[in-house]
Amino acid sequence: NAGVMQNPRHLVRRRGQEARLRCSPMKGHSHVYWYRQLPEEGLKFMVYLQKENIIDESGMPKERFSAEFPKEGPSILRIQQVVRGDSAAYFCASSPLGPSTDTQYFGPGTRLTVL
Amino acid sequence: DAKTTQPPSMDCAEGRAANLPCNHSTISGNEYVYWYRQIHSQGPQYIIHGLKNNETNEMASLIITEDRKSSTLILPHATLRDTAVYYCIVRDPNTGNQFYFGTGTSLTVIP
Repeated sequence: NAGVMQNPRHLVRRRGQEARLRCSPMKGHSHVYWYRQLPEEGLKFMVYLQKENIIDESGMPKERFSAEFPKEGPSILRIQQVVRGDSAAYFCASSPLGPSTDTQYFGPGTRLTVL
Repeated sequence: DAKTTQPPSMDCAEGRAANLPCNHSTISGNEYVYWYRQIHSQGPQYIIHGLKNNETNEMASLIITEDRKSSTLILPHATLRDTAVYYCIVRDPNTGNQFYFGTGTSLTVIP
């Protein structure tokens, strides 16, 4: 029973490039959450998605960041025109029934470095 | 969600019980207490959660005081692999989609 999978585990981008981070939830889980962890800080919520729907994006920066969770395939967190301040660890979590009833299980993260 | 207060760091001898405290004096009746840990550079790992009763699973025990204003996570026989940052989080599952991670307690298990 595979856990939450994220790829790539490490991503290096130059300023102005695009970063695409992928998250495959645990089998049977249809709710996905993205968090960001800046160096020496705790995790901060970004966005909550169900299949084909964004439910809560209250933690997502208004510009350059977007997320999707298509009917087929992994959830994607996309960062356009990356800047050095985007360097962080990005964690995805999933749950089977949604936040009102379930614990969130986290993936290993993608470490983004912007040069 | 209620704010939690945890000591920034603790040490524990290998093989001994690690008792990690958490204060959540403003917790409301609908808020659960969750514990996660993050081993260096890895994703947070769920440990245990509870509402008002004490809970135990294969990883740990959670003791919640009767007034629910504080709780203690107990790792009964700490090993070196338990060295991690431990986060105590209180959350009302009916009003929030997210977990609020503070700065946690950095536990070091000493050989």
